[in-house]
Amino acid sequence: RKEVEQDPGPFNVPEGATVAFNCTYSNSASQSFFWYRQDCRKEPKLLMSVYSSGNEDGRFTAQLNRASQYISLLIRDSKLSDSATYLCVVNVGGSQGNLIFGKGTKLSVKP
Amino acid sequence: DVKVTQSSRYLVKRTGEKVFLECVQDMDHENMFWYRQDPGLGLRLIYFSYDVKMKEKGDIPEGYSVSREKKERFSLILESASTNQTSMYLCASRGVDSFSYEQYFGPGTRLTVT
Repeated sequence: RKEVEQDPGPFNVPEGATVAFNCTYSNSASQSFFWYRQDCRKEPKLLMSVYSSGNEDGRFTAQLNRASQYISLLIRDSKLSDSATYLCVVNVGGSQGNLIFGKGTKLSVKP
Repeated sequence: DVKVTQSSRYLVKRTGEKVFLECVQDMDHENMFWYRQDPGLGLRLIYFSYDVKMKEKGDIPEGYSVSREKKERFSLILESASTNQTSMYLCASRGVDSFSYEQYFGPGTRLTVT
């Protein structure tokens, strides 16, 4: 079983739409969870951390379900600039901070 | 602002050549990482280092070695480049006092081996 699984997409949505991405992870010892964003031909950048209580940053909401080993990202009122690949990322522990990256979900927001 | 730089954005090498990819970070981070990213395979960890002169194998170390002589610099070495090492190489760094485990990435080096 793959460690971090995501639907690769692409998700093609119109501007203003709400879109949700899901991710599952296999290691129940995973301690920290993140969503990274990667623009075409650019490096990944941290979008937001995911906390057990859920967290919101503007139009973005992240949720974590430890029992189901499931992480989600909700984007409301999509903008053209949201077009990117979204990587689900898990830290499986240890002081080195090693991260396991999902393969990413591609989002394309159309006018 | 954290800055991670990589020596080249694009590199073309011939099969059998020795290739050096350099990465420098300016935030005094202890941990540094080398990944490769390929379509359909995502980011895969090659090597990481948690301190000067320390190194650990990641998931796909075969065909690669690393060097960390100074805290700010982490080099990836392809001893004898092969065509299956054509890829995007990404360097990242992280401070151990960071509670977020956030890794900061360099812009990447797109290596083509012909």
